[in-house]
Amino acid sequence: DTAVSQTPKYLVTQMGNDKSIKCEQNLGHDTMYWYKQDSKKFLKIMFSYNNKELIINETVPNRFSPKSPDKAHLNLHINSLELGDSAVYFCASSGLLVRGGIDEQFFGPGTRLTVL
Amino acid sequence: GQNIDQPTEMTATEGAIVQINCTYQTSGFNGLFWYQQHAGEAPTFLSYNVLDGLEEKGRFSSFLSRSKGYSYLLLKELQMKDSASYLCAVNDYKLSFGAGTTVTVRA
Repeated sequence: DTAVSQTPKYLVTQMGNDKSIKCEQNLGHDTMYWYKQDSKKFLKIMFSYNNKELIINETVPNRFSPKSPDKAHLNLHINSLELGDSAVYFCASSGLLVRGGIDEQFFGPGTRLTVL
Repeated sequence: GQNIDQPTEMTATEGAIVQINCTYQTSGFNGLFWYQQHAGEAPTFLSYNVLDGLEEKGRFSSFLSRSKGYSYLLLKELQMKDSASYLCAVNDYKLSFGAGTTVTVRA
């Protein structure tokens, strides 16, 4: 059974379009994340949800809107796609440590988005 | 803000040992993770240090010095499959990643 799954794996689209990426985890974690990994391989957090509540929103254009219908799902919708949005987007989930901070994160396989 | 530095690339020979250093200056700290990422794949967990000292897990060990803002990942008995990117990440209710160190293992 896949722990963290994302769809689609590849997404090729034209500038200006709107697209969504879906993520699901079956690990029972309360916290889910979206990361962007650019061409230089730098992995940067975008959003984090804990029990359907947004807890981290890093400086991300408001064209990006996450939605968490329940704690096992975190989707990412992107409006008016731009060339600079081309990247690999990873979903992840984790628990929280009692002493503070987050526990080991489990990553989905990634969605490679190419904007033409 | 967060400042996490690691070397960009390292090359080593099969069977050898490689040490990947990571220095950090962050506003908060609840431990440090190391992740491995093969090309085209997702990062996978390798180790977690929250207290000073060495954590050993088979061929991989990780060390932390909180007072120095320093960690290293030690890969022993290198195998070709260890060719990957190694990411250092500081834990503070979110993970702040370094840019990653690409390790190439040569035969």
